Amino acid sequence: RKEVEQDPGPFNVPEGATVAFNCTYSNSASQSFFWYRQDCRKEPKLLMSVYSSGNEDGRFTAQLNRASQYISLLIRDSKLSDSATYLCVVNMTRNSASKIIFGSGTRLSIRP
Amino acid sequence: DARVTQTPRDKVTEMGQEVTMRCQPILGHNTVFWYRQTMMQGLELLAYFRNRAPLDDSGMPKDRFSAEMPDATLATLKIQPSEPRDSAVYFCASGNYSGANYGYTFGSGTRLTVV
Repeated sequence: RKEVEQDPGPFNVPEGATVAFNCTYSNSASQSFFWYRQDCRKEPKLLMSVYSSGNEDGRFTAQLNRASQYISLLIRDSKLSDSATYLCVVNMTRNSASKIIFGSGTRLSIRP
Repeated sequence: DARVTQTPRDKVTEMGQEVTMRCQPILGHNTVFWYRQTMMQGLELLAYFRNRAPLDDSGMPKDRFSAEMPDATLATLKIQPSEPRDSAVYFCASGNYSGANYGYTFGSGTRLTVV
């Protein structure tokens, strides 16, 4: 089982729709969580951190469920420019060292 | 905006040749990562450093890969000898570890093709 798992998609939704992705992680000692966005042939860029109480940044909402070991990303009123791959990132502790693990990404395509 | 700088941007080399990739982390960042990305495997962590000390390089094939930080402004990833299966995009990322929550910034990557 992978340490961080995501639905690879692709998710193909119309402009203006709401879309949500989940990501599950295996290590309950994981400390911090992030969503990154990666455009084709570009580097990953930090989209938002994920806090225990949930957090919102404009049209984007991130949630963390420690009991079930998953994080989620909700995008409201999706735009064409939201088309990208969304990477779930978990900072987990193993053998007293922290390690940043990426999920394999969920591809999102917004159609006009 | 502060940036992580990676060189070269693209590298084509013949199998068996040595390849060195360089990364200049953002000034003041104390943690540097090397990742490799392929279509099949996604983003794989190869190695990372904190305060220039290697913390984990378990993701790296030790027989041919080596990663170093000769000083705080330079991280290197070397492959010797290179093989076609090493073809990938290699990303460097840096961040400042100051507790549980921190993000980090990626460089634009080095696209390596081994023929």
